[in-house]
Amino acid sequence: GAGVSQSPRYKVAKRGQDVALRCDPISGHVSLFWYQQALGQGPEFLTYFQNEAQLDKSGLPSDRFFAERPEGSVSTLKIQRTQQEDSAVYLCASSLAGQGKGYTFGSGTRLTVV
Amino acid sequence: KNEVEQSPQNLTAQEGEFITINCSYSVGISALHWLQQHPGGGIVSLFMLSSGKKKHGRLIATINIQEKHSSLHITASHPRDSAVYICAALHSGNTPLVFGKGTRLSVIA
Repeated sequence: GAGVSQSPRYKVAKRGQDVALRCDPISGHVSLFWYQQALGQGPEFLTYFQNEAQLDKSGLPSDRFFAERPEGSVSTLKIQRTQQEDSAVYLCASSLAGQGKGYTFGSGTRLTVV
Repeated sequence: KNEVEQSPQNLTAQEGEFITINCSYSVGISALHWLQQHPGGGIVSLFMLSSGKKKHGRLIATINIQEKHSSLHITASHPRDSAVYICAALHSGNTPLVFGKGTRLSVIA
């Protein structure tokens, strides 16, 4: 596609429910990043893939968060047993190599845990 | 760890005013991004800078590597410029971006 596509656009989950957020990067983009943006804050790094390899997951806030990119294209961020503090916008971004070239953000998924 | 600070946090301007948003960072970087985020919308990349100055329409971005400082300027501001403007620093290679908290701009007609 022409841009980075994220789905769903909005998600309301009951506390304790599992959710899966999808990111479809620009075709050919090697690098894929997930960020979490709490209300009124700047985005914070969660995890990074180069092709299918998860090279850095140091930003994942707990073991309830899991991300995968099994074929080196589409990525899924899964949150198990959601908590209210998980409510945020989850942003995905992709780039050609590292972060220097063609860095493009998706529109984000706004997760609200009630 | 690189810290990215933006100022001001909030800015209200009259239509037509010249606007400046500042960004400073603590550690040497290879590039700096300026991003725009509308309410309920995704993030759009405005500029990526590693030195000097870039211009696109009414937007101008400058960076001073020695002073670890960048500015985003908007000339002849318009209500449609109202958004959150975020700077993000790239340290090197495949490291993730480090974001500032954003500047919320409101331009009033």
